[in-house]
Amino acid sequence: GENVEQHPSTLSVQEGDSAVIKCTYSDSASNYFPWYKQELGKGPQLIIDIRSNVGEKKDQRIAVTLNKTAKHFSLHITETQPEDSAVYFCAASPPSGYSTLTFGKGTMLLVSP
Amino acid sequence: GAVVSQHPSRVICKSGTSVKIECRSLDFQATTMFWYRQFPKQSLMLMATSNEGSKATYEQGVEKDKFLINHASLTLSTLTVTSAHPEDSSFYICSARGRTEAFFGQGTRLTVV
Repeated sequence: GENVEQHPSTLSVQEGDSAVIKCTYSDSASNYFPWYKQELGKGPQLIIDIRSNVGEKKDQRIAVTLNKTAKHFSLHITETQPEDSAVYFCAASPPSGYSTLTFGKGTMLLVSP
Repeated sequence: GAVVSQHPSRVICKSGTSVKIECRSLDFQATTMFWYRQFPKQSLMLMATSNEGSKATYEQGVEKDKFLINHASLTLSTLTVTSAHPEDSSFYICSARGRTEAFFGQGTRLTVV
């Protein structure tokens, strides 16, 4: 089955700095890679996703890159703000709507004012 | 975008009683929903896959007689924690996938006293 590794487990940055979170996956059949933000006591919220026919995708301050050959993908947050502080999870799955996601262990991002 | 609604958000029950958690997909029909459990500072652990009109598929180590899942319609899945004990206290989250994206409910904080 799929195995997703996520690093780092904790990331502390100053407001305005960039933050990068990296994930690797094992199953070459996976071709859907979402990122979720989870605030304390809430369910995960989808913030951006990428499919394997695309190498990079941006949405304002957030970008995701995918290297399918190396089986890794990364989340980039620029100009971080205190409200970006949360736990971020990467995930991987085949495209089928009947397949579950395999999650990384999460990264706690702390943005200091 | 698609929305998944989970209810209740928080419940406290006495040891030995049963608790039902509801998960509804509001904007789309979900033939498959997923139930996760999350311990503090950990990632989401898949408990079971809920299939509309058929039996749920449970992950290894998850007691199907303790965690009863019913998926009676295309928009509703329920998880019943039967004869709850303090060790069942946790954060339970449901998820439904659209064509590709997976959306999560708000989560249910269960405390068994």
